[in-house]
Amino acid sequence: QSVLTQPPSVSGAPGQRVTISCNGSSSNIGAGYDVHWYQQLPGTAPKLLIYGNSNRPSGVPDRFSGSKSATSASLAITGLQAEDEADYYCQSYDTSLSGWVFGGGTKLTVL
Amino acid sequence: EVQLVESGGGLVEPGGSLRLSCAASGFTFSSYTMNWVRQAPGKGLEWVSSISSSSSNIYYADSVKGRFTISRDNAKNSLYLQMNSLRTEDTAVFYCAREGAGATADYWGQGTPVTVSS
Repeated sequence: QSVLTQPPSVSGAPGQRVTISCNGSSSNIGAGYDVHWYQQLPGTAPKLLIYGNSNRPSGVPDRFSGSKSATSASLAITGLQAEDEADYYCQSYDTSLSGWVFGGGTKLTVL
Repeated sequence: EVQLVESGGGLVEPGGSLRLSCAASGFTFSSYTMNWVRQAPGKGLEWVSSISSSSSNIYYADSVKGRFTISRDNAKNSLYLQMNSLRTEDTAVFYCAREGAGATADYWGQGTPVTVSS
């Protein structure tokens, strides 16, 4: 059972918008720690997608955006493309565990 | 260009040991906290351990505490994970990851697979 909770799957048609939620608690997101998001394409290592709640690393399209409030965060993807089909993970820091915590991952299917 | 290259994975029997290595290049290794993260087959990501830049702060997930030891050699730009008393549930791909600002995993290696089976 993951410390951060994500929906197991989401789907959308090309061009549509989808959101992925990430729920935490007072020892991680609610304690003020940043939330980060990773994209993992099949058979590859995770890649940083959003850092510091809402910032995109260089090269990440602005179709991807992140937000955070209270004890939760969300990732939004607009203008869905077939290449967006992947697993997405949220991550934060947990003060009671003294380490990183991840969500269980959300599989995005582009219909 | 930041590069992290893991090695040392393989097949080991339950109760056995394995030492993973992660060779870093393209950045000042001695300035960064480093982490190990694993992913069991078909499962999500699980943080395993972290070590600060000078090795003064080391933390482990409860699932590996007392069995795994993280270390680093800043002169060799290398990170290590000594894994003892391995269990079948330790079977996973192990990634090393650099810790960036805000406790983000800003760079990842390609991973090395560990299979614990008799």
